Amino acid sequence: DQQVKQNSPSLSVQEGRISILNCDYTNSMFDYFLWYKKYPAEGPTFLISISSIKDKNEDGRFTVFLNKSAKHLSLHIVPSQPGDSAVYFCAAFEYGNKLVFGAGTILRVKS
Amino acid sequence: SAVISQKPSRDICQRGTSLTIQCQVDSQVTMMFWYRQQPGQSLTLIATANQGSEATYESGFVIDKFPISRPNLTFSTLTVSNMSPEDSSIYLCSVAGKDTEAFFGQGTRLTVV
Repeated sequence: DQQVKQNSPSLSVQEGRISILNCDYTNSMFDYFLWYKKYPAEGPTFLISISSIKDKNEDGRFTVFLNKSAKHLSLHIVPSQPGDSAVYFCAAFEYGNKLVFGAGTILRVKS
Repeated sequence: SAVISQKPSRDICQRGTSLTIQCQVDSQVTMMFWYRQQPGQSLTLIATANQGSEATYESGFVIDKFPISRPNLTFSTLTVSNMSPEDSSIYLCSVAGKDTEAFFGQGTRLTVV
């Protein structure tokens, strides 16, 4: 049972435009959400997170939105840059439990 | 943040053999985690390793197949035993950071032939 779903396996965006990566979850007990970026041959690196008590968190070009009623979160990258091309993982954390990851979305930013 | 050194970065192994993956952290951490990422799938937690106690395995993973050592607060190993082609994956070690974020090693890409 996939508790964290990233339904788009890949996304292609023009440089300078907005990239929107989506993530849905099913477990209402999740109280913290994270996005990780992964380049080939490297481990995932932490990007941005959001607590379930918030609906938005912003860090530079990266903004994460959380819609608890829809059990949906999204990562916005503005403006997108070619160096943003990577696999993006959505992850959720239930207090006292483990991180649960989505399957990842491959983002390609074209110059 | 934590700097995690994981090796080997990749290996090609014969079926029926075992491979031990090492993970070294630049600071003392209580909990270390081992993940597997099979082709086209998400990261799946194999086990949690605490120093001085036996690792806690997730459903579907057993100690005989994935023995783990945690001799001190900066080091852990994961062994993939009696390998089969289905074990071909990327294996990652991880430590927890603040606010529940996790830091990952660069991963070990294992191919079993």
